[in-house]
Amino acid sequence: ETGVTQTPRHLVMGMTNKKSLKCEQHLGHNAMYWYKQSAKKPLELMFVYSLEERVENNSVPSRFSPECPNSSHLFLHLHTLQPEDSALYLCASSQDRLAGVPYEQYFGPGTRLTVT
Amino acid sequence: EDKVVQSPLSLVVHEGDTVTLNCSYEVTNFRSLLWYKQEKKAPTFLFMLTSSGIEKKSGRLSSILDKKELFSILNITATQTGDSAVYLCAVEGISNFGNEKLTFGTGTRLTIIP
Repeated sequence: ETGVTQTPRHLVMGMTNKKSLKCEQHLGHNAMYWYKQSAKKPLELMFVYSLEERVENNSVPSRFSPECPNSSHLFLHLHTLQPEDSALYLCASSQDRLAGVPYEQYFGPGTRLTVT
Repeated sequence: EDKVVQSPLSLVVHEGDTVTLNCSYEVTNFRSLLWYKQEKKAPTFLFMLTSSGIEKKSGRLSSILDKKELFSILNITATQTGDSAVYLCAVEGISNFGNEKLTFGTGTRLTIIP
């Protein structure tokens, strides 16, 4: 596969469940991102990993826990979510974010999450 | 498969020039097209377009959608160095499962030279 892939594409979970979202990039990039896209709201950056180290966490609730085991894989672990967490979660990757230069980000197709 | 293609991939112009960025798309059950400006952090929202032929304008930026030809353009007049960024186009559609889908292009990198 090429580009940025995300699994699952759709997820329905209860508030007491624990689940994980997975993202994989095949582009040789060294930075990966999680975004949240809620209905009628702009894209929100959640986490950034550059060279496998987390460099930004925009005050995301602790019920969202990211993990980046290597430069090609990124996970978002979910536990005790709320209905308002229902949204489209997008993963993206780019090259060389350390310099602060905004390189083009390649986005995955997203995981549509519904919390019941 | 849904697809969003932006052109050019990169563009370098002098301050004061006018630029036009292009976005063409193929998407199932089109709902809207969005433009974002990305600098150092998360993309910032610029426009949402849902109807053909109606120009949206914000200061020196404007955008228009053509739903028949499946494209949109983003114009920036009298460019300034602060306009240097990556401009992302995204298209919202409805998947075969009835859920919303958002497909992004890879962006156009705009560099304004003082």
